[in-house]
Amino acid sequence: EAGVAQSPRYKIIEKRQSVAFWCNPISGHATLYWYQQILGQGPKLLIQFQNNGVVDDSQLPKDRFSAERLKGVDSTLKIQPAKLEDSAVYLCASSPTGNNSPLHFGNGTRLTVT
Amino acid sequence: QKEVEQNSGPLSVPEGAIASLNCTYSDRGSQSFFWYRQYSGKSPELIMFIYSNGDKEDGRFTAQLNKASQYVSLLIRDSQPSDSATYLCAVPNQGGKLIFGQGTELSVKP
Repeated sequence: EAGVAQSPRYKIIEKRQSVAFWCNPISGHATLYWYQQILGQGPKLLIQFQNNGVVDDSQLPKDRFSAERLKGVDSTLKIQPAKLEDSAVYLCASSPTGNNSPLHFGNGTRLTVT
Repeated sequence: QKEVEQNSGPLSVPEGAIASLNCTYSDRGSQSFFWYRQYSGKSPELIMFIYSNGDKEDGRFTAQLNKASQYVSLLIRDSQPSDSATYLCAVPNQGGKLIFGQGTELSVKP
């Protein structure tokens, strides 16, 4: 079984620039998550999709972050404009169902904003 | 009170010893509990999950759950240097959102 795929692995941008991350979940997994992990902290949920609908985006800074999951499969997360405090690892995860299910994480995208 | 709390460590144990990692949570309605291991620069990987009070054993790992006291722990027997990593406790909240603690850094010294 192929795992969760993410790209790019690393990205360096200047503040106020825009950036996009891509995620392909495990085949058949209905639920997809984007987490932000700042160095030394645990992952923080940004947004949760169930198929192509948003379940929870309460922690997503909507003035600069956006996410979509076209056709209920791949997902993109965009930041525009980026701030220095957005420097973090952005983790995509998927699970077969949702509530109370273990998450399978991708390798993450390490973003550095200078 | 944070939803999921862990001591950040670092916790240092000698090789062959038992490492004990603890986690407390605030939502009494939580039904499932997960332990993830995260090596430096890598993504979290699931190592244990537990749903019922008591102990669950898997190889050198034992998860212990006490719902009345709202804590879950992870014991690692015969610790190896390869166990050196950050261990993340994760608990779903009432909305089903998986909340992670800040992680405990474990260092196993040869």
